[in-house]
Amino acid sequence: IAGITQAPTSQILAAGRRMTLRCTQDMRHNAMYWYRQDLGLGLRLIHYSNTAGTTGKGEVPDGYSVSRANTDDFPLTLASAVPSQTSVYFCASSAQSADTQYFGPGTRLTVL
Amino acid sequence: AQSVAQPEDQVNVAEGNPLTVKCTYSVSGNPYLFWYVQYPNRGLQFLLKYITGDNLVKGSYGFEAEFNKSQTSFHLKKPSALVSDSALYFCAVRDGTGTYKYIFGTGTRLKVLA
Repeated sequence: IAGITQAPTSQILAAGRRMTLRCTQDMRHNAMYWYRQDLGLGLRLIHYSNTAGTTGKGEVPDGYSVSRANTDDFPLTLASAVPSQTSVYFCASSAQSADTQYFGPGTRLTVL
Repeated sequence: AQSVAQPEDQVNVAEGNPLTVKCTYSVSGNPYLFWYVQYPNRGLQFLLKYITGDNLVKGSYGFEAEFNKSQTSFHLKKPSALVSDSALYFCAVRDGTGTYKYIFGTGTRLKVLA
């Protein structure tokens, strides 16, 4: 069982470029989340999805978009990357009836 | 508004000594509380949670946490620290509105000294 996978592991991106971070889970969890982790700020929620077909905004959604076409996949898109989006991005999921979130290994993104 | 505070950026403890990592929270309704650990260049790993029931919760790797409603705290503890416990620890509280949103603390770096 893989759990949650994220791709790419790391990426260096020029400012202004479009980028999609991929997240896939094989646990059939209903809820999925995207966080960014920055030094001194902990984890901040970007977007979430309670179930396939629905999404919601978290604490820091500006500059990011998500989609949830099916249960397993929850891609995060940066339409036009800016240096302030340099961060480590974590995807997570949780089952509807349970409360524990399970995290992917993260994507380290650098925007120059 | 929901919030979580981890007042210590770093905690140093000698190997074999007991350790405590502090967490306080503010949430509407009954809190769902969690501790996660992050090792270098890794994602967060679940340690333990409090939903209801016994105030003392036992989790992975010998860790435990005590829910204290009057003090709105959920401190993480371990009776005897190991060097391998050195990591970044996050406390989290679940948003009580049913949207499954978590609020994370800023993290506490635990350093266990040999």
